[in-house]
Amino acid sequence: IQLTQSPSSLSASVGDRVTITCRASQGISSFLAWYQQKPGKAPKLLIYGASTLQSGVPSRFSGSGSGTDFTLTISSLQPEDFATYYCQEVKNYPLGFTFGGGTKVEIK
Amino acid sequence: EVQLLQSGAEVKKPGESLKISCKGSGYSFADKWIGWVRQMPGKGLEWMGIIYPGDSDTKYSPSFGGQVTMSVDRSVSTAYLQWSSLKASDSAMYFCARHGFSLNGVYYPDYWGQGTLVTVSS
Repeated sequence: IQLTQSPSSLSASVGDRVTITCRASQGISSFLAWYQQKPGKAPKLLIYGASTLQSGVPSRFSGSGSGTDFTLTISSLQPEDFATYYCQEVKNYPLGFTFGGGTKVEIK
Repeated sequence: EVQLLQSGAEVKKPGESLKISCKGSGYSFADKWIGWVRQMPGKGLEWMGIIYPGDSDTKYSPSFGGQVTMSVDRSVSTAYLQWSSLKASDSAMYFCARHGFSLNGVYYPDYWGQGTLVTVSS
């Protein structure tokens, strides 16, 4: 299973609504997770099961989609949200936890 | 408090062996899967595999099977990732993660180590 994220990078301002998409090469139902990674740090789980918010993650983050097309939305971008975001398919757990290529969110 | 503490940065030569560690604390180490992720310099995340400390059941990603060995020592609550003969292409940051909860049969990573940087250079 291949995951294609778009865009690969974007520039946005604080307060903007940001949407990142992830497309799977075949249907994966809701077996998708989203992570945030800041430079030099470990990834952080944001969303699992395509749309369930991980405990402690701000409600401005949301996930949607099923099958092959998924989105991560940040409703109002905050300064601490500038990071790289990855999707990950988990349908073939535990053998194929494939990650998407990442989307870098930069300050405009 | 759950913590995963990884061993420090390593500098090795091609052909050398290496074993890096990930020590869990603040929970029952044997009861939660430990996964490993590679991140090459300036690149994205790659899933390597996962090990269950309770019985050492191990699942390798097809890309990493035969290239690395995962193991655990329950007596010291530590998971290991090892190479028998390093290559320059093994230079990367390696993260361990506890897969602490499940949904629909999938165990997701909820706590991560800080990463171990491995540099392989002649």
